[in-house]
Amino acid sequence: KQEVTQIPAALSVPEGENLVLNCSFTDSAIYNLQWFRQDPGKGLTSLLLIQSSQREQTSGRLNASLDKSSGRSTLYIAASQPGDSATYLCAAGSSNTGKLIFGQGTTLQVKP
Amino acid sequence: ETGVTQTPRHLVMGMTNKKSLKCEQHLGHNAMYWYKQSAKKPLELMFVYNFKEQTENNSVPSRFSPECPNSSHLFLHLHTLQPEDSALYLCASSQDRGGRRDTGELFFGEGSRLTVL
Repeated sequence: KQEVTQIPAALSVPEGENLVLNCSFTDSAIYNLQWFRQDPGKGLTSLLLIQSSQREQTSGRLNASLDKSSGRSTLYIAASQPGDSATYLCAAGSSNTGKLIFGQGTTLQVKP
Repeated sequence: ETGVTQTPRHLVMGMTNKKSLKCEQHLGHNAMYWYKQSAKKPLELMFVYNFKEQTENNSVPSRFSPECPNSSHLFLHLHTLQPEDSALYLCASSQDRGGRRDTGELFFGEGSRLTVL
């Protein structure tokens, strides 16, 4: 059974820092991995989608990497800003079940 | 118009009420989803529709009844709910669900916050 874990559950950093959010999954048989952002009381916004054949994707200050063999994905945020404060969720698409399995998220606070 | 629109944004209902949540997508997608988000728990997939046909029911209690009249609209009919059903209900869409897989990027609505008294 695929399980997705995100550590830490919460993170607080000063503005301007580069930071890494971690996502691990137990079953390496995935067909894609997605990173989302969720603001309080709102829906999810897709940030990056990495297909299983890819190693990384970049969008602006965000870079996501995927290492299927080790069951890990990281989301790198460069030069963090207070507007980056939100909960970040990763989701792994399980090849065995065809389902997208979500982690519980990392809540990020960037202090001015 | 935003990509995926959900109404109402907030709903309070008693356990004997009947209400419905509505979702509409303007992205030309063919797959639509209902997810439940409870405090301290990961998102839970409830239902999947692909080309208007239900392809997934993730062991959801019958007090939740989905309806997909066309590829752009998705409803979740609610009746005789329990207080533990209080949660944020999220609708999502993707281009299509190739085979059984969510192969494409998911786009979510803002959610409907449901409180059951």
